[in-house]
Amino acid sequence: AQKVTQAQTEISVVEKEDVTLDCVYETRDTTYYLFWYKQPPSGELVFLIRRNSFDEQNEISGRYSWNFQKSTSSFNFTITASQVVDSAVYFCALSEDGGTSYGKLTFGQGTILTVHP
Amino acid sequence: DAGVTQSPTHLIKTRGQQVTLRCSPKSGHDTVSWYQQALGQGPQFIFQYYEEEERQRGNFPDRFSGHQFPNYSSELNVNALLLGDSALYLCASRLTGAGTDTQYFGPGTRLTVL
Repeated sequence: AQKVTQAQTEISVVEKEDVTLDCVYETRDTTYYLFWYKQPPSGELVFLIRRNSFDEQNEISGRYSWNFQKSTSSFNFTITASQVVDSAVYFCALSEDGGTSYGKLTFGQGTILTVHP
Repeated sequence: DAGVTQSPTHLIKTRGQQVTLRCSPKSGHDTVSWYQQALGQGPQFIFQYYEEEERQRGNFPDRFSGHQFPNYSSELNVNALLLGDSALYLCASRLTGAGTDTQYFGPGTRLTVL
């Protein structure tokens, strides 16, 4: 069975600090997808990034960067120079490919990020 | 490009009642999944609909049922409501077989059972 663990329940930073959100996953599949979603107070889950299990290239997109390491089953997410608008709940999610998974997402418990001015 | 829409936004019901939630997928998407998110938790998969049939189901009782229409929109029905059914219900859509596995979510329906 697949499992996603976000060990950090809450993180509080001051604006302009860098912050890293940790995610560790478990899966028996060799082909899978990892995601980060952001959930602001409005409740809608906003898609941030998707990575497949064959693509370990890390990426930087503006103030966001991701570190995917299959060897440690981790998919961490970093916000550089955080802003108050980054305050939200962040979810890491996993979906397995093939068979009967059909893209069902398994989510972590979420990390509440609060950025103080 | 219209995103995923859900209605209603909020709903208050009493125990034992029945509720129907609605979802319209993102334009061009043919697959709809429903998730339940209890307060302070991550979303939990309820089921997925494709070609008007339930394709996969999570660990939810039969009180939870759904339907998909020819235009790909979907309904989630919950019978005999329990207090524990109070949650944010999220709908997500994707295009099956497109080589991408990204699901896009709607704003959710917040259900309160009294």
